[in-house]
Amino acid sequence: DAKTTQPPSMDCAEGRAANLPCNHSTISGNEYVYWYRQIHSQGPQYIIHGLKNNETNEMASLIITEDRKSSTLILPHATLRDTAVYYCSRSNTSYGKLTFGQGTILTVHP
Amino acid sequence: NAGVMQNPRHLVRRRGQEARLRCSPMKGHSHVYWYRQLPEEGLKFMVYLQKENIIDESGMPKERFSAEFPKEGPSILRIQQVVRGDSAAYFCASSWDRSNQPQHFGDGTRLSIL
Repeated sequence: DAKTTQPPSMDCAEGRAANLPCNHSTISGNEYVYWYRQIHSQGPQYIIHGLKNNETNEMASLIITEDRKSSTLILPHATLRDTAVYYCSRSNTSYGKLTFGQGTILTVHP
Repeated sequence: NAGVMQNPRHLVRRRGQEARLRCSPMKGHSHVYWYRQLPEEGLKFMVYLQKENIIDESGMPKERFSAEFPKEGPSILRIQQVVRGDSAAYFCASSWDRSNQPQHFGDGTRLSIL
């Protein structure tokens, strides 16, 4: 079962770090973890992805547990514009398709 | 540097009509994916195409739905004899290859069935 599980909603104060968890306990060895976000009426925006090492880019950091059963997306200094639905997804390198979770609605408040 | 372009952004059809959704991938991308998002739900994979070939259509309904990605021109998602349950946002994504390169999404086509 290629599911990912995320909390339905989270709040974060502006300027603080937002830590969004994702459970993917059935992930297989060749599946990457991808994070996207979706702001109302727009298409999903790519944030970051990783296989087993922690990753960082200009938008966020991705922490993947050693057993790869869960991960955390970190937005280091959340702004009001980071309010969105955040999707954790997984992708098999052989087939390419993304399997999305239900997403976490992140609300950043002043 | 144009991103993934989808048109139309909004499409209204009456029950029984045909809907044709178009997707032009990012420049240099030869892999195209279609996803559907029903109201208040997450995205669900439908079909994966690489130029002129359907690679994976495991998420596509068996009837009325078809997809193509010709050698020249955009990818087309075609829904025949639309029903109310087809109302959804349809998103297209493209990637450089199918390994660990991220998929980049368009802003979708919102299909409404009267």
